[in-house]
Amino acid sequence: QKEVEQNSGPLSVPEGAIASLNCTYSDRVSQSFFWYRQYSGKSPELIMSIYSNGDKEDGRFTAQLNKASQYVSLLIRDSQPSDSATYLCAVNRQGAQKLVFGQGTRLTINP
Amino acid sequence: KAGVTQTPRYLIKTRGQQVTLSCSPISGHRSVSWYQQTPGQGLQFLFEYFSETQRNKGNFPGRFSGRQFSNSRSEMNVSTLELGDSALYLCASSLFSGSGNTIYFGEGSWLTVV
Repeated sequence: QKEVEQNSGPLSVPEGAIASLNCTYSDRVSQSFFWYRQYSGKSPELIMSIYSNGDKEDGRFTAQLNKASQYVSLLIRDSQPSDSATYLCAVNRQGAQKLVFGQGTRLTINP
Repeated sequence: KAGVTQTPRYLIKTRGQQVTLSCSPISGHRSVSWYQQTPGQGLQFLFEYFSETQRNKGNFPGRFSGRQFSNSRSEMNVSTLELGDSALYLCASSLFSGSGNTIYFGEGSWLTVV
């Protein structure tokens, strides 16, 4: 079992709809959770970080964390073509700087 | 405020050669970590340095090494290059070491081994 698992996609969503990206992790001592966006040929860009159970909203993005289910998700509202990218879920465990990444989900927003 | 700066951005090396990549963290950031990204393996952690000390190391052979200087700048070195070392090498920085710190990535160094 991989430490961090994501559906690799591709996930296709019409413009203006809600895109839902999911991630599960296996290490129960994981403490910090991040979503990065990566455009083709570019480096990862931090979108959201979340540390406690519940929802965290930032503009069109909402991160949701459920530590009991070892599940973290990212919702993108009012999806735009510019949101088309690979979304990487990353976790790190308590006391460690090391990020463990999922394989990423390729998201395509169709105009 | 300048971001994480990596040099060189692109390089081509021959099998058996060695390569050194450089990283300047965001001003004030003291933790620098390195990652390798390949299509097959995804993003994998190489090592982390904080206050010139290696804090954590990923599952890579000893050909991969790094160091951090007193000004927090970091270098990583790969010796005896293999074709499989072709990858995007990413440097990331954060204020401190440990979980809960926001980690920012540089633009990466694209290494091609021929």
